[in-house]
Amino acid sequence: DTGVSQDPRHKITKRGQNVTFRCDPISEHNRLYWYRQTLGQGPEFLTYFQNEAQLEKSRLLSDRFSAERPKGSFSTLEIQRTEQGDSAMYLCASSSTIETSVAYEQYFGPGTRLTVT
Amino acid sequence: GENVEQHPSTLSVQEGDSAVIKCTYSDSASNYFPWYKQELGKRPQLIIDIRSNVGEKKDQRIAVTLNKTAKHFSLHITETQPEDSAVYFCAASKWNKLSFGAGTTVTVRA
Repeated sequence: DTGVSQDPRHKITKRGQNVTFRCDPISEHNRLYWYRQTLGQGPEFLTYFQNEAQLEKSRLLSDRFSAERPKGSFSTLEIQRTEQGDSAMYLCASSSTIETSVAYEQYFGPGTRLTVT
Repeated sequence: GENVEQHPSTLSVQEGDSAVIKCTYSDSASNYFPWYKQELGKRPQLIIDIRSNVGEKKDQRIAVTLNKTAKHFSLHITETQPEDSAVYFCAASKWNKLSFGAGTTVTVRA
C-alpha cells in the first residue's frame, strides 16, 4: 500500500493519559498535514510541515498538543493530559509541493480514532 | 481565516437523477477548491478539484463549477448510482491548509 498510513487506527485512553499517533506519508511527499474530525463535521486543520519544518499551527492546537517530523518523513502527534473533548478522528494528509505558494492535492490517511474515557 | 459554508447538509436523490452541492467561501485569496468523498469509517478521498483560473471542470459523471466573483463553487453529480452514497466535503485553500465545509450526506435511492 503506497498511500498515507496511520497508526494506531483506534486508541482508547483514560482522561489525563498521554497518547501519541504516527503518520507515514506517501513516499517523497514533502508536505504533511494533521487535521481533526469530529462526528458530523468536516476536518479541521491542526498543523502542517514542509519537510521537517513545522510551518503553521492552528489555534485549536493547545499547549497539550505537539507534533514532530524529525527527518522529514513520518510524523508524530502527541496529546498530553488527554481530555474528553480530545475524542475525535485524527487525520493525516500529505502532498507533493513544488512551488511553496501553490496548493497541491492532499491525500488522506485512514485516521486514528481517539476515545478518551 | 477562511470560512466555508456548504448546503444542503443532507440530500436524497433517486438513482439516475442529478445531485448538486453548493459551497461558499469568505477569503477572496483562496484559489484551490477540492471536493472529497468520505464513506462511513473510511478516509476522505479526493474526487475532483478546481483552481481559480478555471470556471468549470468535468470528470465523467462529476463536474465542479466556480464563480470567483460570487465566491461560490458547486459539485454536480449526474446519473447518480447507489455507490455515490457518501458524505461529500468541499474545501478551500490559498496555498497550504484546507478549510472544509460541514459536509453533505448524499443518499441515492434505488
